[in-house]
Amino acid sequence: EIVMTQSPATLSVSPGERATLSCRASQSVNSKLAWIQQKPGQAPTLLIYGASTRATGIPARFSGSGSGTEFTLTISSLQPEDVAVYYCQQYNNWPPWTFGQGTKVEIK
Amino acid sequence: QDLLVESGGGVVQPGGSLRLSCAASGFTFNTYAIHWVRQTPGKGLEWVAVMPYDGSQRYYTDSVKGRFTISRDNSKKTLYLQLNSLRPEDTAVYYCARDQGYCTTTSCHDVGGWFDLWGQGTLVTVSS
Repeated sequence: EIVMTQSPATLSVSPGERATLSCRASQSVNSKLAWIQQKPGQAPTLLIYGASTRATGIPARFSGSGSGTEFTLTISSLQPEDVAVYYCQQYNNWPPWTFGQGTKVEIK
Repeated sequence: QDLLVESGGGVVQPGGSLRLSCAASGFTFNTYAIHWVRQTPGKGLEWVAVMPYDGSQRYYTDSVKGRFTISRDNSKKTLYLQLNSLRPEDTAVYYCARDQGYCTTTSCHDVGGWFDLWGQGTLVTVSS
């Protein structure tokens, strides 16, 4: 089973500032990495797939990078509506499909 | 608009059973694999099971093998999850999620892509 580890657990960022979230896989997942956003009280939604491709309707301030075992999600200018928990998920080696434990992004 | 809507959650005693449903609309249901993913209160996401479009090879996470059964009725555009022998640790919000699948140079597969569409979830509480 591939273990996904995210850091930090909580990230406090001022509005308009950059937020950088990290995700590490216990073994290579190539570029088969998705980022999932879950706003408070809501269901998860797809943000990025293929490590760097934004899903339909996702603003350009969200970007993903990385391959192999190290991945980054960047929010270039944090907006109040971006407060959420962000999960990374690998879909390269399955079953099982595995998720990171999440990074909570809050407004400073 | 593509939608997945879960139902069937509730409160059940340990050892009890429930059947969850995931109703699809807005897309060609019988060409997609669909997953169940659960989220325990205050915790993260855990993949539970997947059903290919044709019901062929089903996969389950180890902790539910022999207790949960995934199935689908393509004529009703609905995915199911039968939960038997429920335990307190099965308490969670259960989501269904669509698999986008992937293609190689020679073939396409409905299982193994990213999860591009999620339902709103249904809460299962196992408690005496």
